[in-house]
Amino acid sequence: EAGVVQSPRYKIIEKKQPVAFWCNPISGHNTLYWYRQNLGQGPELLIRYENEEAVDDSQLPKDRFSAERLKGVDSTLKIQPAELGDSAVYLCASSQVSVGGYNEQFFGPGTRLTVL
Amino acid sequence: GENVEQHPSTLSVQEGDSAVIKCTYSDSASNYFPWYKQELGKGPQLIIDIRSNVGEKKDQRIAVTLNKTAKHFSLHITETQPEDSAVYFCAAITRNQFYFGTGTSLTVIP
Repeated sequence: EAGVVQSPRYKIIEKKQPVAFWCNPISGHNTLYWYRQNLGQGPELLIRYENEEAVDDSQLPKDRFSAERLKGVDSTLKIQPAELGDSAVYLCASSQVSVGGYNEQFFGPGTRLTVL
Repeated sequence: GENVEQHPSTLSVQEGDSAVIKCTYSDSASNYFPWYKQELGKGPQLIIDIRSNVGEKKDQRIAVTLNKTAKHFSLHITETQPEDSAVYFCAAITRNQFYFGTGTSLTVIP
């Protein structure tokens, strides 16, 4: 079974430029997460989708970040315009709904963003 | 919200020795505690988890203990091997929200 797929793996842009990341979750997983992981830190949730609905986007900087999950499968995360502080690894994860609410998350390899 | 603290930030052990990583959490509503291993250039991978109604769980060389009263949980790796070298993250789940610790970089010296 294929895991969570993310692209690109690496992206280098200049500040003020736009950038987009793509995620394809594991087939059948209805929950999709976007995390940001700064160097030496644990992942921090940006947004969580249940199917196509964003059920938790409280940590998403909405002035410059946006996300969508059309048809409840693939998802894109966009930053426009990028700032120096956005340099980080952006991780996508997916999970199934499980009885009792314990959802094992499967992570993709991440996209390493460098803003110059 | 939940606050997860993880210690130590770095840990070096000789091959064959044991390694212990500790985490504390603040929200008594947290009910699921997974541990992830992250290798360079890869996303975190679940290695073991424990639910709030269990005090200890073991899977071969890896074990996790949970003390709900004290709000802390620990990862134990016995008979460490060089391939155990990685960054390990604990997490606490509250209301389906994942809160991660800051990670422990484990180095196993051959």
